[in-house]
Amino acid sequence: AQSVTQLGSHVSVSEGALVLLRCNYSSSVPPYLFWYVQYPNQGLQLLLKYTSAATLVKGINGFEAEFKKSETSFHLTKPSAHMSDAAEYFCAVSDPQSSNSGYALNFGKGTSLLVTP
Amino acid sequence: KAGVTQTPRYLIKTRGQQVTLSCSPISGHRSVSWYQQTPGQGLQFLFEYFSETQRNKGNFPGRFSGRQFSNSRSEMNVSTLELGDSALYLCASSLGGAIIDGYTFGSGTRLTVV
Repeated sequence: AQSVTQLGSHVSVSEGALVLLRCNYSSSVPPYLFWYVQYPNQGLQLLLKYTSAATLVKGINGFEAEFKKSETSFHLTKPSAHMSDAAEYFCAVSDPQSSNSGYALNFGKGTSLLVTP
Repeated sequence: KAGVTQTPRYLIKTRGQQVTLSCSPISGHRSVSWYQQTPGQGLQFLFEYFSETQRNKGNFPGRFSGRQFSNSRSEMNVSTLELGDSALYLCASSLGGAIIDGYTFGSGTRLTVV
C-alpha cells in the first residue's frame, strides 16, 4: 500500500525564515501527492497537489512543493514564514492505478510547525 | 458557498452506546469520505461514498458503518462504542469523487467515549 513518511514531528522556524517540511513516499509508480494544513479545532485545508503534471507545484498562501522521483520526495517549502503559518501539516498519497485505494488518502503522521517572532 | 457541514461538533457518549454522525457536503458534490483522526494513529480512512454507493472501505471493524442519501448527505454510525473510538471524525466531499479533484474537509465531530 502507498504510504508517506514525514520527517520531523515538530519544526520550529523564525518569522521570515525558510519553511521546509519533508515528505517521502513509497511507491513503485508515480502517485498522487497532497499537502494539507490543519489549524486548531478545524478540518484540513488543501495546500497543493501533484498529479503528474508539473513537478514544481505552487499552492496557496505562498507554499510550493517539488516532486522528485529519484528521491521519492515531495517536500513543502515557503520562502518566508509568517506567524499565521503555525499549524499542523499533513502529506498524503493516493495510488491513481489502484482500484481499491484510488478513492482514499493515506496521510503521514503530520508535522507541527511553530513560528517564533 | 457553504462548506462541508458536520454535526454535531462535539459529542460525549458512554462505552457500549452507539452514535451517528452527520455530514452535509458542498452543494453539488457527490462524493463523501470519512476519516478518523487520533493522536496515536493519525488520520485513517474509514470509507468513501459516491452516489449512494460505498466505493472503498478502510481497515476498521464492522462496528463502523456509513451510508449516503440521494441528496449526497452522509451519516456514519459506530455501534458498541469503545474508549478507543474517541477521536475527531472528519468528513470530506469532492465534486466527482476523483482523488485529483482534491477533497474539502469539514471541521469534524469530536467524539469522546467515557
